Amino acid sequence: GAGVSQSPSNKVTEKGKDVELRCDPISGHTALYWYRQSLGQGLEFLIYFQGNSAPDKSGLPSDRFSAERTGGSVSTLTIQRTQQEDSAVYLCASSQNRATGELFFGEGSRLTVL
Amino acid sequence: KQEVTQIPAALSVPEGENLVLNCSFTDSAIYNLQWFRQDPGKGLTSLLLIQSSQREQTSGRLNASLDKSSGRSTLYIAASQPGDSATYLCAVCSGNTGKLIFGQGTTLQVKP
Repeated sequence: GAGVSQSPSNKVTEKGKDVELRCDPISGHTALYWYRQSLGQGLEFLIYFQGNSAPDKSGLPSDRFSAERTGGSVSTLTIQRTQQEDSAVYLCASSQNRATGELFFGEGSRLTVL
Repeated sequence: KQEVTQIPAALSVPEGENLVLNCSFTDSAIYNLQWFRQDPGKGLTSLLLIQSSQREQTSGRLNASLDKSSGRSTLYIAASQPGDSATYLCAVCSGNTGKLIFGQGTTLQVKP
């Protein structure tokens, strides 16, 4: 597709389970970002990938969170042993030019941890 | 540490009014500033991107200005319409990674 694609759009899970969220960026975009938007809070940066460089993981809230990007394209955000405070919308964005480029966001994956 | 503030948090106007949304940031050393729109339950739609060397950008009824020295940006919406109702987010890129720091947003309601 033409835009950033994320799946699943909605995920309900039980506390303690692991979840995987997927992001398919715009073709040709080398930069990929994950953000989290919690109820009543702003958007929080999680992790950034640029080409084959080591990712910037400075925003990951705990070691239960990890992400990978395979082949410079699709990315997966994994949350292990989910907690209720992990409930949020997880947004993925991609950009053609990391420094000056416009970021394009997907529709997000809404995670609810019961 | 870069901080982004948007005022007001919410705004309600009658259809047809011109309006201004404000965004301020604490560190003037930015690469660019981007305005987004977010509809309820949806992702973010990019509206305008202003590079650090630019003063303003226009798209249709939208005009965004940037004053780096004072750490301010405004989003001007002309002749507002009910379809403009949404949350508007300002985001600043302070580093060469493209990582954005977001404000809390302004929720706009345009009444018919």
